[in-house]
Order: sequence, then structure tokens, then C-alpha cells
Amino acid sequence: GESVGLHLPTLSVQEGDNSIINCAYSNSASDYFIWYKQESGKGPQFIIDIRSNMDKRQGQRVTVLLNKTVKHLSLQIAATQPGDSAVYFCAERAGGYQKVTFGTGTKLQVIP
Amino acid sequence: GAGVSQSPSNKVTEKGKDVELRCDPISGHTALYWYRQSLGQGLEFLIYFQGNSAPDKSGLPSDRFSAERTGGSVSTLTIQRTQQEDSAVYLCASSSHRVYEQYFGPGTRLTVT
Repeated sequence: GESVGLHLPTLSVQEGDNSIINCAYSNSASDYFIWYKQESGKGPQFIIDIRSNMDKRQGQRVTVLLNKTVKHLSLQIAATQPGDSAVYFCAERAGGYQKVTFGTGTKLQVIP
Repeated sequence: GAGVSQSPSNKVTEKGKDVELRCDPISGHTALYWYRQSLGQGLEFLIYFQGNSAPDKSGLPSDRFSAERTGGSVSTLTIQRTQQEDSAVYLCASSSHRVYEQYFGPGTRLTVT
């Protein structure tokens, strides 16, 4: 069936380094992708999104890259800070349908 | 303005009892979603309401689960005859004109003993 999955369940990064969180998706009909951040005890919070007609989008300290050829999505966080420690979810939306499917999640641990 | 709120924040119930979880979406948001999140796991879609359309119930795990949304605003998720495997955090989200960006509430942690 259709699924969105993550390669790494846990990622440990030194403070100040860049982080890269990866996500694989299998639904070629997906046309919109989102990254969410979930801090402990809180609901997920929108970080950045990208449409399938783009391959890169930048926000504040974050960049999302989309490779439709291999159905791969990544979130890059520049100069990772302790406050970036959280679980990160990628999510996809298939064309013409509003429901968003979430991936398993990657826990990012920032080492001071 | 206020974000999405959920109540109660924590609920402990005995196996076999019914529970009701409440979600107050952001005012004016037409779409409302319920998800379930087990410890250390991802988000499991349960149900989706969009305006006055029939809800998408495709994610409800069994007929013990039901949800309603009154007046296009507040939603209640009901779990009948709770089982231990129902223990999880139940998250509600709402969205508006930018339909795909969902705003999440803090969740209700349900523990079935």
C-alpha cells in the first residue's frame, strides 16, 4: 500500500552542525509534502512544505529537498541548536485528496 | 487567537468503560482531523471532517470508535468499551484555506487500565 517512511529512527547531531533528516515515500501521485516538528508532550508543528513542481525550498535555517526520481524527501537544519531536539515527521498528500499521510518519524538529538 | 484545544489532557479509565475526548478547533477552520499516536510511534489517521461534507472515517480502527462534529466546530471522539490497546495520545488538528497545513492541539493522553 501507499506509505511514507523514514530511513533513520534516531539521529544524534553535535550542536552547531548541520542535520539532515530523510524520508522515503512510495506514492508517485503525491503532489505536496510537509515537515512537522513534535517536541515532547506537544502536538506536531508545521515547519516547511514543498510542492511536487519544486525540488528545493528554503526557510529560516531549514531547507527541504525533493527528489521525485527516487521518491525521496529530506529536511536540512543548519547550525543545529538544542531547541531543535524533537521528533520530525514528513507527510505527503496525494493529488486531489486532502488527507495527509504521516511517516513514522525521526528523533533528532542535539548533543551540546 | 487561541490555538486548537483538547480536553481532558489526561484520561485514565478502566477497561470496558466508554470515554469521550473533546477538540475545539481554531475558529473559522473548516477542516478537523483526529489522529492517534502510540508511544514512540507516528501519527495514525482516524477521521477527517471537512465543512458539511460526510466525514472520512476510513482510519477508525473498529466500530467502537466514533466521532462527531457539531455545528462545524467542536468535535468529540468517543471510544466505547475501551481496551488496553486503545491507550495512546489522541491528537486533534484543524486547518483552513491553506488546507494542508494543520494546526495541532496538545493531545489527550488516554490510559486504559
